[in-house]
Amino acid sequence: QVQLVQSGPEVKKPGASVKVSCKASGYSFTNFGIHWVRQAPGQGPEWMGWSSSYSGNTHYAQKFQGRVTMTTDTSTSTVYMELRSLRSDDTAVYYCARDMATLTVFDYWGQGTPVTVSS
Amino acid sequence: DIQMTQSPSSVSASVGDRVTITCRASRGIAGYLAWYQQKPGKAPNLLIYVTSTLQSGVPSRFSGSGSGTNFTLTISSLQPEDFATYYCQQANTFLPLAFGGGTRVEIK
Repeated sequence: QVQLVQSGPEVKKPGASVKVSCKASGYSFTNFGIHWVRQAPGQGPEWMGWSSSYSGNTHYAQKFQGRVTMTTDTSTSTVYMELRSLRSDDTAVYYCARDMATLTVFDYWGQGTPVTVSS
Repeated sequence: DIQMTQSPSSVSASVGDRVTITCRASRGIAGYLAWYQQKPGKAPNLLIYVTSTLQSGVPSRFSGSGSGTNFTLTISSLQPEDFATYYCQQANTFLPLAFGGGTRVEIK
């Protein structure tokens, strides 16, 4: 069965960086892209960007350009999302999600990684 | 950027009611519209994609329709497990992919 398993909760100080992992299993990893979506408390989901599991190409939402990096390790079927220069409004649950190959909709999601940014 | 606007932001309904949620895109998205259900503490769950295609395993009481910039999610007969928050998402362009603000379906 398809599974996306994310790393555990993080607490960071403003200005720090966080790196969240997403390990995929149960499907042909390179056939589907992985996206990152975050959700602040009480808010709707917010798309952050995409990485191709096949080529490693990425596309980031303009809002996060220069602060986010998504990388792929095909040997372990793991995708990483690093967010730098953290601010209090980056406090959110961060999800990885698999797209449907030819459609940018998300049929499988990780369990979410809570990231708290607080001094 | 494409903006997605959902209405209403919340709706109170009873088991067995028909519920309709609307999503409007700020410009045409060629039918690339998806709907998700989210329960507290859980990731969103895909219900419908490309306006009206039901995701595998989703009950047939859920349906989607629309075109251009206006889309609708309908629950034909609300069940207890349907009380949740629903989000639309435009999937036409990376500029950027965007979700609506959500509609909370509450018990009347």
